[in-house]
Formats: sequence, C-alpha cells, structure tokens
Amino acid sequence: GAVVSQHPSRVICKSGTSVKIECRSLDFQATTMFWYRQFPKQSLMLMATSNEGSKATYEQGVEKDKFLINHASLTLSTLTVTSAHPEDSSFYICSASGTTEAQFFGPGTRLTVL
Amino acid sequence: EDKVVQSPLSLVVHEGDTVTLNCSYEVTNFRSLLWYKQEKKAPTFLFMLTSSGIEKKSGRLSSILDKKELFSILNITATQTGDSAVYLCAGGNYGQNFVFGPGTRLSVLP
Repeated sequence: GAVVSQHPSRVICKSGTSVKIECRSLDFQATTMFWYRQFPKQSLMLMATSNEGSKATYEQGVEKDKFLINHASLTLSTLTVTSAHPEDSSFYICSASGTTEAQFFGPGTRLTVL
Repeated sequence: EDKVVQSPLSLVVHEGDTVTLNCSYEVTNFRSLLWYKQEKKAPTFLFMLTSSGIEKKSGRLSSILDKKELFSILNITATQTGDSAVYLCAGGNYGQNFVFGPGTRLSVLP
C-alpha cells in the first residue's frame, strides 16, 4: 500500500516552454500533497504544500506564478513549471499523506531545461 | 525556527559493521518522526515514530524516539553494501510539512 506515482520520470524541454508533472496516490486518498525540489547531493527543499480543493501554500522564495500547483482531487496533484529556464533544471519529488501521518514519496521527475 | 539536525553527515564502514545514525529535532507542534532511505531516486519510507521509547524494527534496521531529549536514532546491524544510501529523518505533524534534516550519507565497503 501507500504507492505514489509521478509522471514523467524524466523530461527535457527547451527554455521558455512549460512542463507539467503529475503526482498520483494510487491506493490511498491523499488529503495533503507536498512538492519538493532536490539539487545534487542536497536534502529536499519544500516548495509548496497543497490540500485537496484549496490553494497551495508556497514556501518563502518560491514563485507561485512560476510553479503552478493544482490539487484537484484526492489522488492527483500537478506541478506546472511555467516558462522554464535552465536554472529550473532539477529533481522534483512529490509526496502524499492521507489518513496516516507518514509522507510517501513519488519516484521523482528529473527536469532538464536546455 | 524549526530545524532537524543529523549526524554524522557522512559515514564509511565495512560490511558487517553496525552503525548508529542520529537525528535531533526542534519542530513546532511535533508529533512524529520519519526515517527515509534515499538511493538514486526519491526517498523510500522506513519508519514512523510517534511514541517515546518504543523501538520499531524491520530486519536489520531499528529505530527509537526520545521525545524528552528530542532525538531519534536509526541502527543498522550487520551492514551490507546495499545499505549504502542517504538516510533522511524528518519531524513534523499530521497534515503539515515535515522538516527534513540534511541526511547522513552512508557508504558500506565490501
């Protein structure tokens, strides 16, 4: 149980394009989903927290107009990186929590912006 | 400001050794501590600890929480090369963000 999927696992795009990353909880209802960014050999950096049906709460320094988060259902959250630039290249990971307190992570999406 | 500290940050041992990884926390509204193992991709869940003094065990891994002293340890006995990974701990509360530590990078040599 507690499986979280992410799609795509890897994406390469041109500068200026937008990229959407999906995060799904496959076997439980995720009332809260979290989006993280991770740079090489560093720990996870929380970008935003989203609760189903409400607006995401962004961490300080994270541009909400650049990183659009939608949590439309209890099993799906999306992160859209708008007008991506090379500095947005990173490993993006989502996690989800439901009735238990543990967060379960998706496998991550490696974004490369050329 | 909430923070989670892990030590050591890096550790190199030989197969068969026993290791103890430390995690201390100062987290507002703390309820649970989570341990994760991260290899090349996203972290995988190991333990969730909510009560003090109750050891959780899974194979060669075990963990315990001390809510009075605000720390947790993760023990790995008879280490194997497959245990090489970054071990993350995080403290937090239900429905809120968990604050992650920097991780301990464990390398197990054959």
